[in-house]
Amino acid sequence: GENVEQHPSTLSVQEGDSAVIKCTYSDSASNYFPWYKQELGKGPQLIIDIRSNVGEKKDQRIAVTLNKTAKHFSLHITETQPEDSAVYFCAASGGSSGDKLTFGTGTRLAVRP
Amino acid sequence: GAGVSQSPSNKVTEKGKDVELRCDPISGHTALYWYRQSLGQGLEFLIYFQGNSAPDKSGLPSDRFSAERTGGSVSTLTIQRTQQEDSAVYLCASSLDRGDYGYTFGSGTRLTVV
Repeated sequence: GENVEQHPSTLSVQEGDSAVIKCTYSDSASNYFPWYKQELGKGPQLIIDIRSNVGEKKDQRIAVTLNKTAKHFSLHITETQPEDSAVYFCAASGGSSGDKLTFGTGTRLAVRP
Repeated sequence: GAGVSQSPSNKVTEKGKDVELRCDPISGHTALYWYRQSLGQGLEFLIYFQGNSAPDKSGLPSDRFSAERTGGSVSTLTIQRTQQEDSAVYLCASSLDRGDYGYTFGSGTRLTVV
């Protein structure tokens, strides 16, 4: 089945700086890569996703890049704000695991005011 | 409804007791998933329902765990003879069709086995 690794496990940045979270996946047949943000006491919320037919997608201050050859994908947050502080999860699906998402272990992002 | 609803939000139970966790998915979503999140950990897949197909139970950790989905809507996750290692947040998610439309998660049920 699919295996997703995520780094770093914790990340602290100054407000206004950029944050980058990286994930690798094992199943070359995976074709859908979403990112989720989880705030304390809440369920994960989808913030952006990318499919394997594109290399990059942007939505305001967040962007995701995908390198299918290397089986890497990354989340980029620019101009970070305190409200960006949360746990972020990457995930992958579409390969041998079918429609169910395999999640990374999460990155706890802290944005210092 | 507007989102995925889970109940109860918190459950404390004694070791050895059975518990039932409920999930109300978004109306019209045919896919429903259960995940488990242990303290500070990632999301562990448990079970997946898609329409009228047989559920994918490949993530259930033991035969003490079972789930059903009645009428293609509400789902119940049952844990029999609870153990302390079952303590976790149980998250339910639904999606419009297949998972690649993105999941909408509920807020979870925090289960504590004492």
